[in-house]
Amino acid sequence: DAGVIQSPRHEVTEMGQEVTLRCKPISGHNSLFWYRQTMMRGLELLIYFNNNVPIDDSGMPEDRFSAKMPNASFSTLKIQPSEPRDSAVYFCASSRMGRGLSGNTIYFGEGSWLTVV
Amino acid sequence: GDSVTQMEGPVTLSEEAFLTINCTYTATGYPSLFWYVQYPGEGLQLLLKATKADDKGSNKGFEATYRKETTSFHLEKGSVQVSDSAVYFCALDSNYQLIWGAGTKLIIKP
Repeated sequence: DAGVIQSPRHEVTEMGQEVTLRCKPISGHNSLFWYRQTMMRGLELLIYFNNNVPIDDSGMPEDRFSAKMPNASFSTLKIQPSEPRDSAVYFCASSRMGRGLSGNTIYFGEGSWLTVV
Repeated sequence: GDSVTQMEGPVTLSEEAFLTINCTYTATGYPSLFWYVQYPGEGLQLLLKATKADDKGSNKGFEATYRKETTSFHLEKGSVQVSDSAVYFCALDSNYQLIWGAGTKLIIKP
């Protein structure tokens, strides 16, 4: 079975440009997470979807960030306009969820490595 | 709130040495506990987990036992290899998300 698929793997963009990161979760998983990882702040949860509905977006840094999940097999994380401090690795992850995680594993994609210059 | 504390790295060992990475947690109730590993340039992947007290998770020679009395889930391996060099994350599940430790970088020298 294919894992969580993210694209692009690497992106270098200029400050002010729009960045769109894409994710295909594992088939059958009903929960999707976007994380950001940096040396300074470690691993941060940005937003969590359950059954395509955003449940908790309290980790989204500011209005420049937005995320959508139009269907069960696709999600995007958009940054507009991008800034150098957005440079990080962005991970998408998915899981099955009932009443909470209940010990279910969260599966991660390989990440999108973003550099804003 | 729930939290996870793990030992700071980097931890540097010689090949075939014994490994312990400490992890303690604070939580209401009895969460499931996880160890994830991140190899250079890759995403995080589950290494092992335990869903209730006294459970032992194991995988690839690594083990960790869910200790309710000491609120700990220490990661151990009897003989490490160079290929074990990675960052290791301890985590607990808190309702719908994982609460993560800061990660411990492990460096194994040949």
